[in-house]
Amino acid sequence: GAGVSQSPSNKVTEKGKDVELRCDPISGHTALYWYRQSLGQGLEFLIYFQGNSAPDKSGLPSDRFSAERTGGSVSTLTIQRTQQEDSAVYLCASSLAWGGRATDTQYFGPGTRLTVL
Amino acid sequence: AQKITQTQPGMFVQEKEAVTLDCTYDTSDQSYGLFWYKQPSSGEMIFLIYQGSYDEQNATEGRYSLNFQKARKSANLVISASQLGDSAMYFCAMTGGSYIPTFGRGTSLIVHP
Repeated sequence: GAGVSQSPSNKVTEKGKDVELRCDPISGHTALYWYRQSLGQGLEFLIYFQGNSAPDKSGLPSDRFSAERTGGSVSTLTIQRTQQEDSAVYLCASSLAWGGRATDTQYFGPGTRLTVL
Repeated sequence: AQKITQTQPGMFVQEKEAVTLDCTYDTSDQSYGLFWYKQPSSGEMIFLIYQGSYDEQNATEGRYSLNFQKARKSANLVISASQLGDSAMYFCAMTGGSYIPTFGRGTSLIVHP
């Protein structure tokens, strides 16, 4: 079956512009995560969606970042007034559930490489 | 709070040899899961192996095995018969009471021919 897809794969933008990153999770996966990975670094959690529950936005670095998930499926991460420090790879992952079980296994998309000039 | 520690920033191994990547964890949860992911230079995170805290046997998936020592809170990844394509970053992660997974900082593995 289809894995997690993300678009665009690469995005170059000018400082101050808004960008939208899209994630299509695996069908049937109720949990969806966004992460940010700067060059040579580990994963930084940004936001978590679970079913129809309110998202956990605790990882968003500033109010310029927002995300939504429509119909429990596709998610969009929006960065307003981009800054050069926003340059990173943005990874999306989905899983069946959570709770310390195998169903927590996250399947990642290929990522979107964002470059802010 | 959960914590994952990967103390090896870089590892080198000869092709066809076995290699162990270290991972220690800390959690107050009784039920938790441990995961290893591979990230090649292409950037995609690939799930390798899972170990549940109540699993009595070490997990194995092909050439990958997880050496789970609960008392020592370690979950080392063992790759047998290394291949050139194994060269990548490897991340240890855990889930448990928090739905936000905790990832280690990663270990870079280079396989020499």
